Amino acid sequence: AQSVTQLDSQVPVFEEAPVELRCNYSSSVSVYLFWYVQYPNQGLQLLLKYLSGSTLVESINGFEAEFNKSQTSFHLRKPSVHISDTAEYFCAVSLEAAGNKLTFGGGTRVLVKP
Amino acid sequence: NAGVTQTPKFRILKIGQSMTLQCTQDMNHNYMYWYRQDPGMGLKLIYYSVGAGITDKGEVPNGYNVSRSTTEDFPLRLELAAPSQTSVYFCASRNGQSREAFFGQGTRLTVV
Repeated sequence: AQSVTQLDSQVPVFEEAPVELRCNYSSSVSVYLFWYVQYPNQGLQLLLKYLSGSTLVESINGFEAEFNKSQTSFHLRKPSVHISDTAEYFCAVSLEAAGNKLTFGGGTRVLVKP
Repeated sequence: NAGVTQTPKFRILKIGQSMTLQCTQDMNHNYMYWYRQDPGMGLKLIYYSVGAGITDKGEVPNGYNVSRSTTEDFPLRLELAAPSQTSVYFCASRNGQSREAFFGQGTRLTVV
């Protein structure tokens, strides 16, 4: 079965500092990878995704993630965070052969401090 | 532009009561999912459906039932509510081509 591990449950960071959220998955076959963001008392929104092609994917608000097949990782980075980036971030994986189930990691709570 | 709509937003149930969480989507997506979110545990898949008339169990199906009579609707039923079912429930639908999942705003359920 596929699984997703987010190594950090909480990441405090100062405004304008860089942040990296780590995500590792277990699978020996092709995967689709996603990062979702959840603001307080809201549902999840897609931040970015990797389906195929370039291993570096970017979002419109400055986040980027790199698919590393050899390390089975899909870490999320932002070079300079804002207060508004305070949220919970979820990594998710989907296998083509797994009935299109979407499996989530435990989430990483990012708290941006002024 | 409704997307995925869940009702109700909040509910308090007594132990042993039953209820149905409603979920509807207007994007003509074939795939629909029910997750529960508990603090620090991420999202756990309860049930999912790959199309009308087809449902399957996820990681934590015990105590729940679903049906998918139409493409749009995917209700989740709790027959005998237990305190362990206190959680936030999210419904999602997904496009088979783009792979992106769209989530509802969630239902916060408390069983007392």
